[in-house]
Amino acid sequence: NAGVMQNPRHLVRRRGQEARLRCSPMKGHSHVYWYRQLPEEGLKFMVYLQKENIIDESGMPKERFSAEFPKEGPSILRIQQVVRGDSAAYFCASSPVVPSGSPDTQYFGPGTRLTVL
Amino acid sequence: GQQLNQSPQSMFIQEGEDVSMNCTSSSIFNTWLWYKQDPGEGPVLLIALYKAGELTSNGRLTAQFGITRKDSFLNISASIPSDVGIYFCAGKRTSGSRLTFGEGTQLTVNP
Repeated sequence: NAGVMQNPRHLVRRRGQEARLRCSPMKGHSHVYWYRQLPEEGLKFMVYLQKENIIDESGMPKERFSAEFPKEGPSILRIQQVVRGDSAAYFCASSPVVPSGSPDTQYFGPGTRLTVL
Repeated sequence: GQQLNQSPQSMFIQEGEDVSMNCTSSSIFNTWLWYKQDPGEGPVLLIALYKAGELTSNGRLTAQFGITRKDSFLNISASIPSDVGIYFCAGKRTSGSRLTFGEGTQLTVNP
């Protein structure tokens, strides 16, 4: 059973370009979360998606950032017109569907390290 | 937003020593998770705690979910060089909700 997969592992963009980060959840998982990690810091929540739905995007910057999780295919985190401050590691996590009130947990992918020149 | 205070920030120990780190919060969480992150990799789940007061072990690792639901600790016994890395606590309020992370504890083990 493959774990959470992310690609690319490393991405270099120039200021003003677009960055697309992809995440395939673990088999059987339909919840996807995106987190951002700056150097020597903890992970900060960005967005939580289920298939074709954004459940919580309260951690997402209001401009230039968007996320989707289509019915078919991976989840995509898209950053338009990147700036140097977007340089960070972006992690995707997935979790299974559990009955309401039941415990669950999140499993992380290896991350995409974005460098903006 | 919610914050988790994780301490210590860093630890330098000798191989064979025991290690303890903890996280505290100003608000309640219903799940506490401990992760380890190696350089260039994603966090790997070590222990998950789902009930207040729960004490759970995974090999040389032991973690507890504080009775107030506002804190958790992780102990590593008889440390070995491969324990080196950054350890993160994370709290979760409900099923399907976001994780709030601590700032991490950098562990260095000297052989």
